[in-house]
Amino acid sequence: QKEVEQDPGPLSVPEGAIVSLNCTYSNSAFQYFMWYRQYSRKGPELLMYTYSSGNKEDGRFTAQVDKSSKYISLFIRDSQPSDSATYLCAMSTGNQFYFGTGTSLTVIP
Amino acid sequence: EPEVTQTPSHQVTQMGQEVILRCVPISNHLYFYWYRQILGQKVEFLVSFYNNEISEKSEIFDDQFSVERPDGSNFTLKIRSTKLEDSAMYFCASKAQYYTEAFFGQGTRLTVV
Repeated sequence: QKEVEQDPGPLSVPEGAIVSLNCTYSNSAFQYFMWYRQYSRKGPELLMYTYSSGNKEDGRFTAQVDKSSKYISLFIRDSQPSDSATYLCAMSTGNQFYFGTGTSLTVIP
Repeated sequence: EPEVTQTPSHQVTQMGQEVILRCVPISNHLYFYWYRQILGQKVEFLVSFYNNEISEKSEIFDDQFSVERPDGSNFTLKIRSTKLEDSAMYFCASKAQYYTEAFFGQGTRLTVV
């Protein structure tokens, strides 16, 4: 059983749409959660970090964590073509991070 | 804004050769990591380093791999005898404290021919 499951997509949306990206996990010991954005052949860029259930908002991005369901989401409002990238969820018990496979997102102008 | 820097950005090496990948973590960070990503696959953990020693390593990190923090700023990954399957993007990451977020470098693309 995989530690972290993420739908690889690809996901294609029109500019201005609300995007929902999701991950599920099996390890209840995961304590904190991150979302990264990765452009082709580049390093993961941290978008959001949270360690509690509930919502955290930063600009157009909202991270949601539901520890009881072992489910996390990233919402992107008013999506822009520059948001086109691969989005990685990552989670940790404290030391190493476990990554999802990434969801490829394309925002069409 | 502080960032993790990695050199070189691209390294081509012949099978069996030794390579050293270099990283400068964010100043004052205490935890250091190497991850790798084979093309089209997920980011995989290799090793974590804290207090001048390895704190955790994966099955991938066998005797061919080693890490070192030779001075107060650099963090290196050495592969002693490269294999074709070592071809991947290698990412260095650092974090300030145990329960904080990790910041990644832009990666070194290693190509073994």
